[in-house]
Amino acid sequence: GAGVSQSPSNKVTEKGKDVELRCDPISGHTALYWYRQSLGQGLEFLIYFQGNSAPDKSGLPSDRFSAERTGGSVSTLTIQRTQQEDSAVYLCASSLQGRTGETQYFGPGTRLLVL
Amino acid sequence: AQKITQTQPGMFVQEKEAVTLDCTYDTSDPSYGLFWYKQPSSGEMIFLIYQGSYDQQNATEGRYSLNFQKARKSANLVISASQLGDSAMYFCAMREGRAAGNKLTFGGGTRVLVKP
Repeated sequence: GAGVSQSPSNKVTEKGKDVELRCDPISGHTALYWYRQSLGQGLEFLIYFQGNSAPDKSGLPSDRFSAERTGGSVSTLTIQRTQQEDSAVYLCASSLQGRTGETQYFGPGTRLLVL
Repeated sequence: AQKITQTQPGMFVQEKEAVTLDCTYDTSDPSYGLFWYKQPSSGEMIFLIYQGSYDQQNATEGRYSLNFQKARKSANLVISASQLGDSAMYFCAMREGRAAGNKLTFGGGTRVLVKP
């Protein structure tokens, strides 16, 4: 595809349920990033994948959050036992090789609402 | 301390006029990159312009230019000849050198509303 795609675009869930958010990066991009945008915290880094290297998980807010990237392409962000404070827009981005000066291209985001 | 500071939460600009959005940053890493993104009401983050810490000249991309003052640690975005479609949130972001990982650190954003 032409750009980063994410699904679902919107997700409403009940507190305590698990959710999975999907990201398809730009074809050929080896670096993939997850960010979260919420009213209270602004835009925050969550996790970064680069090729076959161990992911940088330094931004994950708790052990309820996890992510994987299968086959070096599609990534899934999983939130277990969702809480109301998890409500936010989850943005995925990709870049060509993960180098310092590279532009990260963002997807449209998944808007998560936890009731 | 905030790594990226955008002091203007919101501003109005008259159509066809230029507007400057402020961004200051804080890092001790000599190698870093500064980015500006636009986020319209649709929510997608759109890349506008990039400035590397070692770049000698200010970056320009069409109507966007970056006023990079390294000693003052500022990277202000200038939008010339504002258009109604420029109404959006604008985020300044920094990516520090390899040792700090490849994440972007964002400022709080500036909301711009272009008046006809």
